[in-house]
Amino acid sequence: GDSVTQMEGPVTLSEEACLTINCTYTATGYPSLFWYVQYPGEGLQLLLKATKADDKGSNKGFEATYRKETTSFHLEKGSVQVSDSAVYFCALSGYNKLIFGAGTRLAVHP
Amino acid sequence: DTEVTQTPKHLVMGMTNKKSLKCEQHMGHRAMYWYKQKAKKPPELMFVYSYEKLSINESVPSRFSPECPNSSLLNLHLHALQPEDSALYLCASSPIGGDSDEQFFGPGTRLTVL
Repeated sequence: GDSVTQMEGPVTLSEEACLTINCTYTATGYPSLFWYVQYPGEGLQLLLKATKADDKGSNKGFEATYRKETTSFHLEKGSVQVSDSAVYFCALSGYNKLIFGAGTRLAVHP
Repeated sequence: DTEVTQTPKHLVMGMTNKKSLKCEQHMGHRAMYWYKQKAKKPPELMFVYSYEKLSINESVPSRFSPECPNSSLLNLHLHALQPEDSALYLCASSPIGGDSDEQFFGPGTRLTVL
């Protein structure tokens, strides 16, 4: 079945460092891909999305490109802030539901 | 209105209590979802409603009973829960037939079962 694999965390960075969180997927069709973010004590917020191969999603300085050839959707940011500390979930859409990766916790220190 | 609201924010209940969680959206979405999220885990899908009809039940125990009284509301009735049911319960909605199946999540209800 369809699945999502994310790099394990936690990821600990200093402010202004570069971020990459790896995400790869397995899917039988051509799903949409998402990154959701969950701040402590809150629900999930959509960070960015891509609906077809080679699409690039971007928001708040974060980017991810839908790579069909490598079945990947890695999340990147050039300069992280303390306020980016959260859990990040990669997900794909399939059969009327979202399939989530395990989540990657990011901690950014001043 | 572009948000999903959930009430209550926190709920503590005993194993013999009956309580309900409520979820509301006014975005015209015709698909609504209940998820359960344990600490440090991704959300687990429980139920999906499409056009107010239950379309997916992920083998959830009968002590959880969903209800969709209209296209804007989704309830989750709780009865005879166990301590292991303590979790964050998330509601989500999405348009049907959109280009991406994006789901919009509420802030969740944090449930503690004593």
